[in-house]
Amino acid sequence: KAGVTQTPRYLIKTRGQQVTLSCSPISGHRSVSWYQQTPGQGLQFLFEYFSETQRNKGNFPGRFSGRQFSNSRSEMNVSTLELGDSALYLCASSFGGANVLTFGAGSRLTVL
Amino acid sequence: KQEVTQIPAALSVPEGENLVLNCSFTDSAIYNLQWFRQDPGKGLTSLLLIQSSQREQTSGRLNASLDKSSGRSTLYIAASQPGDSATYLCAVRDGTGTASKLTFGTGTRLQVTL
Repeated sequence: KAGVTQTPRYLIKTRGQQVTLSCSPISGHRSVSWYQQTPGQGLQFLFEYFSETQRNKGNFPGRFSGRQFSNSRSEMNVSTLELGDSALYLCASSFGGANVLTFGAGSRLTVL
Repeated sequence: KQEVTQIPAALSVPEGENLVLNCSFTDSAIYNLQWFRQDPGKGLTSLLLIQSSQREQTSGRLNASLDKSSGRSTLYIAASQPGDSATYLCAVRDGTGTASKLTFGTGTRLQVTL
């Protein structure tokens, strides 16, 4: 079966712009969570959605937002990009959130 | 606030060696713990998940143990191979269950040489 698909895989933006990343979970998975990975901070939890509802949120500014659609696909948006937002953004899906997570390959964002 | 530490940060071993990776966490009231591997520039691959009520899990050459009371987990890799070279991460889900956050360790970068 298809894995977790993230698009785009790579993107370059400039400071002040906004970006939207997409995540299609494994069929049947209702939980999607997002993570930011940087060399300095490691992997940090952004937020989790379950059945179109945000169930949990990490310690990130309001510029980071997300949503989940009725087909469980999820998007995250970062507005007013800063240089420090350059990172690998990973999403993961699971049946119920506390089960085994399956990760996508990530979206690598570079902010110039 | 849960903090997860992995030691060592990097490890290089010759092929065939058995090795142990360590993960420690500060809050023992966890729901479960997962071990992942990450290849350079790639996403994470789940290796093992241990529920808080379990002591260990095994998959092939991998064995993960959990000692909640001491806040520690170990990942044992038997007969290491060059294909095991990757970064290994542990992640702890706190005790509130399905709606709780996952906290990752900083990882151990493993290199298995020929």
